[in-house]
Amino acid sequence: SAVISQKPSRDICQRGTSLTIQCQVDSQVTMMFWYRQQPGQSLTLIATANQGSEATYESGFVIDKFPISRPNLTFSTLTVSNMSPEDSSIYLCSVATEKLFFGSGTQLSVL
Amino acid sequence: GENVEQHPSTLSVQEGDSAVIKCTYSDSASNYFPWYKQELGKRPQLIIDIRSNVGEKKDQRIAVTLNKTAKHFSLHITETQPEDSAVYFCAATPRLGSNYKLTFGKGTLLTVNP
Repeated sequence: SAVISQKPSRDICQRGTSLTIQCQVDSQVTMMFWYRQQPGQSLTLIATANQGSEATYESGFVIDKFPISRPNLTFSTLTVSNMSPEDSSIYLCSVATEKLFFGSGTQLSVL
Repeated sequence: GENVEQHPSTLSVQEGDSAVIKCTYSDSASNYFPWYKQELGKRPQLIIDIRSNVGEKKDQRIAVTLNKTAKHFSLHITETQPEDSAVYFCAATPRLGSNYKLTFGKGTLLTVNP
């Protein structure tokens, strides 16, 4: 399986600010995704990060709030913009090779 | 879209007993069903998966069964150990090409008591 690194691993942010999360994979992958896991909850797909084109967002998620970049086949970023306490969650990148694997996650707390 | 229901939400067993977690799905086109284990503060880890052309798959103490007619699948853990304690998530997807748009169940907190 691919090695997926995320940073930061955790952060505490102030309301109204933005945070960019980075995801690095040790091999080229076509399919990369971003998930959100709210406290004590399941995993919800935010968007598919498409290399060289705009991300594809799921219902309830918009580009202005969660802009995503995918400059190449090994790297992606997710920005959580204009944060509020409701954005406090774990954000996980994932990659699909033969199966779906998750990065180490970013635990975000918004005060 | 797909909807996945998972039961029970919590499960407590004695070490050495078996544990069973059940999931149902709504989209008859779904054909890939993975199970993930998430320990506290860690990433979800894929532990076993099954595809719709198979009815059962086993890996040591873990097995998954699939009933496509009834649209449900189950995780079975035998001879449970304290290190099996974690949250388990089932998922389903109607795989389209290589697009794994997984829909997850709400999770089951399994506690194995020594």
